[in-house]
Amino acid sequence: EIVLTQSPGTLSLSPGERATLSCRASQSVSSSYLAWYQQKPGQAPRLVIYVASTRATGIPDRFSGSGSGTEFTLTISRLEPEDFAVYYCQQYGSSPITFGQGTRLEIK
Amino acid sequence: QVQLVESGGGVVQPGRSLRLSCAASGFTFSNYAIHWVRQAPGRRLEWVAVISFVGNNKYYADSVKGRFTISRDNSKSTLDLQMNSLRAEDTAVYYCVRSKRGPTYPDAFDIWGQGTKVTVSS
Repeated sequence: EIVLTQSPGTLSLSPGERATLSCRASQSVSSSYLAWYQQKPGQAPRLVIYVASTRATGIPDRFSGSGSGTEFTLTISRLEPEDFAVYYCQQYGSSPITFGQGTRLEIK
Repeated sequence: QVQLVESGGGVVQPGRSLRLSCAASGFTFSNYAIHWVRQAPGRRLEWVAVISFVGNNKYYADSVKGRFTISRDNSKSTLDLQMNSLRAEDTAVYYCVRSKRGPTYPDAFDIWGQGTKVTVSS
């Protein structure tokens, strides 16, 4: 199975700053089938990005995804207070579906 | 509105069984593959099982294979997860989730339920 490793584990930034989150796969992710999810305390995850760079419905354009193969990045251009949460990457290019361990984005 | 609502969670002793249910509304349930994903305290999300839109194909994570059974009733827009021989490591919040592209598996998940908590403890 493909193991996803996210970095950093915790990212401390201020509103208005730029956030860059990384997801590295142990093998190439087929067809860039890589998604990102946002999870806030007590809530279910919410789809943010799919096929590496396509924003999900209702996701603001300050969120962008990039990458291919084994290296993927989620960028939030200017952090808003509501963006502070845990972010998970997920690969769905091969079975079984796997998730990264998450990056906690916290207010500095 | 499009939603998935889980039920059936609770506290159960090791070795016992529990049945989770998921009720769908706001979309054509029979057009989508549906999954169970779980999240144990302090651990990453873990995909558990998927059932095809017709219900004839089912796949499981190795960690639950032979113990869990996924099923669906398209006439009622419901999904079930029968969990047998439960272990402490099955303790988690269980989410019912929808494949984004419809019948496709594997896939990204565009709709998540609110989750139901399962605790396996003596």
